[in-house]
Amino acid sequence: DTAVSQTPKYLVTQMGNDKSIKCEQNLGHDTMYWYKQDSKKFLKIMFSYNNKELIINETVPNRFSPKSPDKAHLNLHINSLELGDSAVYFCASSQEGTGDTEAFFGQGTRLTVV
Amino acid sequence: AQSVTQLGSHVSVSEGALVLLRCNYSSSVPPYLFWYVQYPNQGLQLLLKYTSAATLVKGINGFEAEFKKSETSFHLTKPSAHMSDAAEYFCAVTNQAGTALIFGKGTTLSVSS
Repeated sequence: DTAVSQTPKYLVTQMGNDKSIKCEQNLGHDTMYWYKQDSKKFLKIMFSYNNKELIINETVPNRFSPKSPDKAHLNLHINSLELGDSAVYFCASSQEGTGDTEAFFGQGTRLTVV
Repeated sequence: AQSVTQLGSHVSVSEGALVLLRCNYSSSVPPYLFWYVQYPNQGLQLLLKYTSAATLVKGINGFEAEFKKSETSFHLTKPSAHMSDAAEYFCAVTNQAGTALIFGKGTTLSVSS
């Protein structure tokens, strides 16, 4: 059983399209995250949700909208995709926020905008 | 503000040699520090973490790290490198609110036979 699973693993799409990435965790964690890894492998937090409530919303274009239908799911919807959105997006989860607790990461979704 | 700096974007060692990956942190509060490993085309996996219980932290796969407050460092070591250790390694610190990880830029470890 995969602890944190994301779909799709690869996503190739044209500029201007709208796409979604889904994430599910079966660890019973309270907190879920989206991180973005750019072409230089730099990882940066985008969003954090705790019990379906938004905790962190870093400086991210409002074309990105996270949605948490329940504690186990955190989806990422992206409108009007741009070339610069090409990156690997990682979903993660942890118990009660990061603090000193381990974050578990999904396998990543490699988004390529052409 | 919390931050981590990884010195050396690329480290190359021979199989059996000592691995040393450097990480320095900046934190306005006692830090929680982590080392994660990323194998090609995979997600991140926790190697070890420092949460103030002990300054020498042992992790998986024979890795360990020592927290040195006087040097604001949390370097990762392994006595003897294995080919399977070749990967990207990230040092991270919890943000001040304890709600997310702030990552360093990563260090690529290459291991040659």
